[in-house]
Amino acid sequence: KQEVTQIPAALSVPEGENLVLNCSFTDSAIYNLQWFRQDPGKGLTSLLLIQSSQREQTSGRLNASLDKSSGRSTLYIAASQPGDSATYLCAVLKAAGNKLTFGGGTRVLVKP
Amino acid sequence: GAVVSQHPSWVICKSGTSVKIECRSLDFQATTMFWYRQFPKQSLMLMATSNEGSKATYEQGVEKDKFLINHASLTLSTLTVTSAHPEDSSFYICSARDRTNEKLFFGSGTQLSVL
Repeated sequence: KQEVTQIPAALSVPEGENLVLNCSFTDSAIYNLQWFRQDPGKGLTSLLLIQSSQREQTSGRLNASLDKSSGRSTLYIAASQPGDSATYLCAVLKAAGNKLTFGGGTRVLVKP
Repeated sequence: GAVVSQHPSWVICKSGTSVKIECRSLDFQATTMFWYRQFPKQSLMLMATSNEGSKATYEQGVEKDKFLINHASLTLSTLTVTSAHPEDSSFYICSARDRTNEKLFFGSGTQLSVL
């Protein structure tokens, strides 16, 4: 059974600092891995999707890496801003399966 | 971009009543929709997978008679919480998979509070 873990559970940084969010998964047989952002009481916004054959994806200040063999992904957010404050979730999609398995999320607070 | 509309965004109901939540894919067809539940400060937990025209597949521990799922068309799935109790209070989110490209899109969620 796939298990996804995110460390740390919460993170508080001053504005301008780079953010590093970690995600680990136990079963390396994944189809893809996604990073989502969730604001309080809201749905999910997809940030980055990395296919199992890819090593990283970049979008603006966001960069996500994937090391399938070690079961790890890292989301980097450069030059953090207060608007980046949210919960960030990673989720893996099983190969030949339909279900997304979510990590517990990392709650990020960027202080002005 | 593709949009999934989830309605209502919040609902308050009395214990014992039933609540229906709708999930619509607005500009694409979704053969598969997923229903998730999220308790405060916890991650999303998959409740059931809904396939158009067939019975939903429920995850272990989710009561199918309590959480009724109907996926009668390629653009609409509904989740009905029957005889709701305070412990059913939670944030419910649906997602839909675009049949043309397999991408997943999420609704904005429904906050259910049962008094």
